[in-house]
Amino acid sequence: NAGVTQTPKFQVLKTGQSMTLQCAQDMNHNSMYWYRQDPGMGLRLIYYSASEGTTDKGEVPNGYNVSRLNKREFSLRLESAAPSQTSVYFCASRKIDRQNIQYFGAGTRLSVL
Amino acid sequence: LAKTTQPISMDSYEGQEVNITCSHNNIATNDYITWYQQFPSQGPRFIIQGYKTKVTNEVASLFIPADRKSSTLSLPRVSLSDTAVYYCLVGDPLSGAGSYQLTFGKGTKLSVIP
Repeated sequence: NAGVTQTPKFQVLKTGQSMTLQCAQDMNHNSMYWYRQDPGMGLRLIYYSASEGTTDKGEVPNGYNVSRLNKREFSLRLESAAPSQTSVYFCASRKIDRQNIQYFGAGTRLSVL
Repeated sequence: LAKTTQPISMDSYEGQEVNITCSHNNIATNDYITWYQQFPSQGPRFIIQGYKTKVTNEVASLFIPADRKSSTLSLPRVSLSDTAVYYCLVGDPLSGAGSYQLTFGKGTKLSVIP
């Protein structure tokens, strides 16, 4: 079982460049999430998608856009990268049931110079 | 979402039992308590979840008093591989039927010493 797969694992960008972080899950989960984690900090929610075709802002959405391409895939786009977006990005998915379990990917480590 | 408070860090020697307490004074009736573990350079991983009293699995135990205003994650006989950050989360997993958001605080950094 692959679970939640994120690509790329590492990326270095120059200020102003754009890129898309990819996330795919093979667990048939309805909900998917994008978080960022800065050094020594907890995770902060950027965007989430309750189901295919819907997306909503989380705690820190500015500077990001998302696309729920289908049930499996949820991408995060940085249109014009800034040094403040240097972080580790995690994608997660969840089945909507009483068990409060999110399954996380391995993360994408992004540096913006 | 209920706010949680955990110690920033804890140290323990190998082989000891570790108890990490989380305070959640404004927990709501439908809220569950969930704990995650995060190793360096990895995403968080679910450990255990409970609503009341005691829950035990192969990894940990979760103790929840009757008033549910706090909970304690218990790790028996820790080893070096248990060194990680532990997060306590509180919320109703069915609220919004999919719009449920998990709020991760800074967690508790557990360091296991040989």
